[in-house]
Amino acid sequence: GAGVSQSPSNKVTEKGKDVELRCDPISGHTALYWYRQSLGQGLEFLIYFQGNSAPDKSGLPSDRFSAERTGGSVSTLTIQRTQQEDSAVYLCASSLGGVYNEQFFGPGTRLTVL
Amino acid sequence: DQQVKQNSPSLSVQEGRISILNCDYTNSMFDYFLWYKKYPAEGPTFLISISSIKDKNEDGRFTVFLNKSAKHLSLHIVPSQPGDSAVYFCAVLYSGGGADGLTFGKGTHLIIQP
Repeated sequence: GAGVSQSPSNKVTEKGKDVELRCDPISGHTALYWYRQSLGQGLEFLIYFQGNSAPDKSGLPSDRFSAERTGGSVSTLTIQRTQQEDSAVYLCASSLGGVYNEQFFGPGTRLTVL
Repeated sequence: DQQVKQNSPSLSVQEGRISILNCDYTNSMFDYFLWYKKYPAEGPTFLISISSIKDKNEDGRFTVFLNKSAKHLSLHIVPSQPGDSAVYFCAVLYSGGGADGLTFGKGTHLIIQP
């Protein structure tokens, strides 16, 4: 497909378990972003990858959160020892990079931590 | 502390009339402003943007106005159509910040009444 894809679309897990969320960006997009939207909140920036540069992790809420981007393409967001407050929709976006290039969002992964 | 505020969680407008969505921000360093539209179970899609060197940008039925002194922007949709029913997010960016992660408001749910 031509758009950003994310998997799984829904994930239910138990508190304390680890989860991995996947993002496939648009081919050729050098920039990749992760956001999350908790219930009743706006989208919260988590992490940003640009090309081969070190990622900007300034938005990660705790050290339980980490992300990788392999080969400049697919990205995985990992949440270790999940907590109930991690329940949210996790959105991935990609762009051609730079401030003024449009960020294209995937449909998100809805994470529910019981 | 919220840097971007959309004080109306929802707005109902009659079809054919003008919809006005408002957004306030706190940091005068922000210099690029965007509106995104989101349908249920989909990722946000870019709608329109404006940089701080302008006070108005128009694209078809959509116009964004920026009042830098008041740190306020608004989105006007005229005439409103049923397909405009969605959640609208205001997003801001500081282009000199070194990272391109957007800061979003909580969104306004626009409902267009037939």
